[in-house]
Amino acid sequence: QKEVEQNSGPLSVPEGAIASLNCTYSDRGSQSFFWYRQYSGKSPELIMSIYSNGDKEDGRFTAQLNKASQYVSLLIRDSQPSDSATYLCAVNDAGNNRKLIWGLGTSLAVNP
Amino acid sequence: DAGVTQSPTHLIKTRGQQVTLRCSPKSGHDTVSWYQQALGQGPQFIFQYYEEEERQRGNFPDRFSGHQFPNYSSELNVNALLLGDSALYLCASSTSGGVADTQYFGPGTRLTVL
Repeated sequence: QKEVEQNSGPLSVPEGAIASLNCTYSDRGSQSFFWYRQYSGKSPELIMSIYSNGDKEDGRFTAQLNKASQYVSLLIRDSQPSDSATYLCAVNDAGNNRKLIWGLGTSLAVNP
Repeated sequence: DAGVTQSPTHLIKTRGQQVTLRCSPKSGHDTVSWYQQALGQGPQFIFQYYEEEERQRGNFPDRFSGHQFPNYSSELNVNALLLGDSALYLCASSTSGGVADTQYFGPGTRLTVL
């Protein structure tokens, strides 16, 4: 059973701090990794995609990938109350590249 | 550039009824995936359509069926509704090229089964 695991949280950080969200995956052949943000009652919104080991930065967001450790993370710098949401990690199924395997999400609360 | 659209936004049905949900993919996308998301859970993959055929399927019963039209839009049909089918139904579109194409979600359809 291929799995993506995330700490369910809630992760609580003060406004302006760095929020660190983590995700591990079981499928060693996975090549594509995605972070989505989901506000309560809304659909997931793509934040970042990452395909190579290392860091990828986009504004206040940085995705980090370590394929050897089967670990992907998302850092949010200068966290804002509007960042409060559930963050979903998704990883491609190596046996079927067109399919994504999803984590259950980490709830983030940014406190003013 | 229109994003992924879904209709209806909300739906209330009773047990045993049938429901049809609709999805139009983002412009330039040819692949549609359907997900079910219960409260507090991650999206659960139902199936994916490409070239008007169901290409892969998650662990859902045959009561869940779908269709893709020549214009790439798609329908999700659920027969003999159960209370447990109450959920947010998400449609995501992507392109057929590349590896694990990025999926873009529509706003979802909230289905309530009474």
